[in-house]
Amino acid sequence: DGGITQSPKYLFRKEGQNVTLSCEQNLNHDAMYWYRQDPGQGLRLIYYSQIVNDFQKGDIAEGYSVSREKKESFPLTVTSAQKNPTAFYLCASSIDRGNQETQYFGPGTRLLVL
Amino acid sequence: QKEVEQNSGPLSVPEGAIASLNCTYSDRGSQSFFWYRQYSGKSPELIMFIYSNGDKEDGRFTAQLNKASQYVSLLIRDSQPSDSATYLCAVSNFNKFYFGSGTKLNVKP
Repeated sequence: DGGITQSPKYLFRKEGQNVTLSCEQNLNHDAMYWYRQDPGQGLRLIYYSQIVNDFQKGDIAEGYSVSREKKESFPLTVTSAQKNPTAFYLCASSIDRGNQETQYFGPGTRLLVL
Repeated sequence: QKEVEQNSGPLSVPEGAIASLNCTYSDRGSQSFFWYRQYSGKSPELIMFIYSNGDKEDGRFTAQLNKASQYVSLLIRDSQPSDSATYLCAVSNFNKFYFGSGTKLNVKP
């Protein structure tokens, strides 16, 4: 059963707490991405990684951190510096068809602040 | 100016009609173009991708690309109530993806 998995489905964060969202893929995709989706605002890129041990900031990286120690895994940490973390977080991976990348999404994690 | 623009809708069509969704993009260097369907509370699902000018058909869906006009569209024939969702247009240029805010489609029985 191939695909992208994200856990947990729902996550609650207390003030001042760091939380980590998991993303795993068994599609053998090289590139992985994290997006944040707020109502009516579409998807905004947080971080992306083209290869293991390398990642780049997206448009809204402040208050977030990532690691890419394995090809299959790209966890996202929401730090206490992110003051408005409530959102739907989407992990994606992409396959390269020679400059024709196609991106697929995991089921998402909904983060709520207590 | 946003990279990808879509009318937020809602677009309402009767069951069995053709739904037409439109998208414009600003980067002339964009290489690939995608349509995703997103049901409420769920993640986006890829339904069509197109790389070359012209039309691409897959079942009830047709994607149309006009690079000169920087315009992408999605036609859904014989619309069904199960097609009711938000449709996201996306474009990419060498591993960077840009998404529109989506058009909400309502198909009325």
